[in-house]
Amino acid sequence: EVQLLESGGGLGQPGGSLRLSCAASGFAFSNYAMTWVRQAPGKGLEWVSGIIGSGGSTYYADSVKGRFTISRDSSKNTLYLQLNGLRADDTAVYYCAKVAVAGGDPFDYWGQGTLVTVSS
Amino acid sequence: DIVLTQSPATLSLSPGERATLSCRASQSVSNYLAWYQQKPGQAPRLLIFEASNRVTGIPARFSGSGSGTDFTLTISTLEPEDFAVYYCQQRSNWRWTFGQGTKVEI
Repeated sequence: EVQLLESGGGLGQPGGSLRLSCAASGFAFSNYAMTWVRQAPGKGLEWVSGIIGSGGSTYYADSVKGRFTISRDSSKNTLYLQLNGLRADDTAVYYCAKVAVAGGDPFDYWGQGTLVTVSS
Repeated sequence: DIVLTQSPATLSLSPGERATLSCRASQSVSNYLAWYQQKPGQAPRLLIFEASNRVTGIPARFSGSGSGTDFTLTISTLEPEDFAVYYCQQRSNWRWTFGQGTKVEI
């Protein structure tokens, strides 16, 4: 059974940093691209960042480019998202998701999410 | 980036009725469009990929159609558990975008 378990959310200061983790199990982690998606309170879904299976290529939404860094550790089956330069509009539930091998690369499994709140 | 526009924003229906949700892309996405369902307090769930392929385990009352720029998600007969928010999604050049969502409410 595929499981994705996020952690690391919490209260962050404006301009501060947080590191999110996503522990994966139930599939060959290094064979799949992974991604982060966020959802601000009461709002829709926003893709944040993606990384290919090898970790050799990463991709970011314009809203987080230069501030967030995605990475993965295949020895630990864990995906990360380093959030730097936090802003109030980064407040959201952050989901990690597995990218399916299908046209358009949809997200076939999702974690339960971790809440990041940016406030002084 | 490709913009996805969903309509209507809210669909008010009763159990047993048919729901038709629309998603329009600002440029062609071929058939690379997915649909997700999200219930309050839960993560999204993938329903349909490649515009019309239903994920294993998704009931047959859910169907997707379309190609290019115009797509439709149809729920043939609404069950009580189908009242939720539905999002369409596409990927282009390793950037994904979601529509703003359609809320199907009783």
